[in-house]
Amino acid sequence: QVQLVESGGGVVQPGGSLRLSCAASGFTFSSYGMHWVRQAPGKGLEWVAFIHYDGSNKDYADSVKGRFTISRDNSKNTLYLQMNSLRAEDTAVYYCAKEIHAFDIWGQGTMVTVSS
Amino acid sequence: QSALTQPASVSGSPGQSITISCTGTSSDVGGYNYVSWYQQHPDKAPKLMIYDVSKRPSGVSIRFSGSKSGNTASLTISGLQAEDEADYYCCSYAGSSTYVFGTGTKVTVL
Repeated sequence: QVQLVESGGGVVQPGGSLRLSCAASGFTFSSYGMHWVRQAPGKGLEWVAFIHYDGSNKDYADSVKGRFTISRDNSKNTLYLQMNSLRAEDTAVYYCAKEIHAFDIWGQGTMVTVSS
Repeated sequence: QSALTQPASVSGSPGQSITISCTGTSSDVGGYNYVSWYQQHPDKAPKLMIYDVSKRPSGVSIRFSGSKSGNTASLTISGLQAEDEADYYCCSYAGSSTYVFGTGTKVTVL
């Protein structure tokens, strides 16, 4: 069955780092662009980052550019999000999503809390 | 990368039809036919309801339909049911592999 499972969330102090993972199954992971989308508590959805199917192209929202890095390992069917210099405003549920010019498959999300 | 504009809330009685608008610019909604809509129930992941402006994924009820005119896209829910009560978000491609979401609309079934 087609599935995305995120992990790696937790509580981190401002200025700290965290790496999120997203394990894919049930589809040919290496054929699709993948994204990270986040949702702050009680707020709307915010697109965060994109990576091309082969990792050759990446892009980021202005709010995370220079601090977050998206990557993938197609041999492990896994997507990553390295988050550095974390701020309180990065507190959110982070979802990974498969893209076909729309986000057709979503993970269950992993919570990241930035607090001292 | 400004969020697309949606009404904060829309309500309707069971059986009625409601429409949610999503207004962007010529750089996103108006520039591409890659508008999608998502339904999100509390504490759940979003679910794709409409893609490419008006296409329905397999398994999504025909009561959900999408359209676009200029810089504004719309989602219509016909024959409103209690299970449709949720938050709805539009999303548009904005070029260079980037996307922008709408502000979200809470749908209440009266």
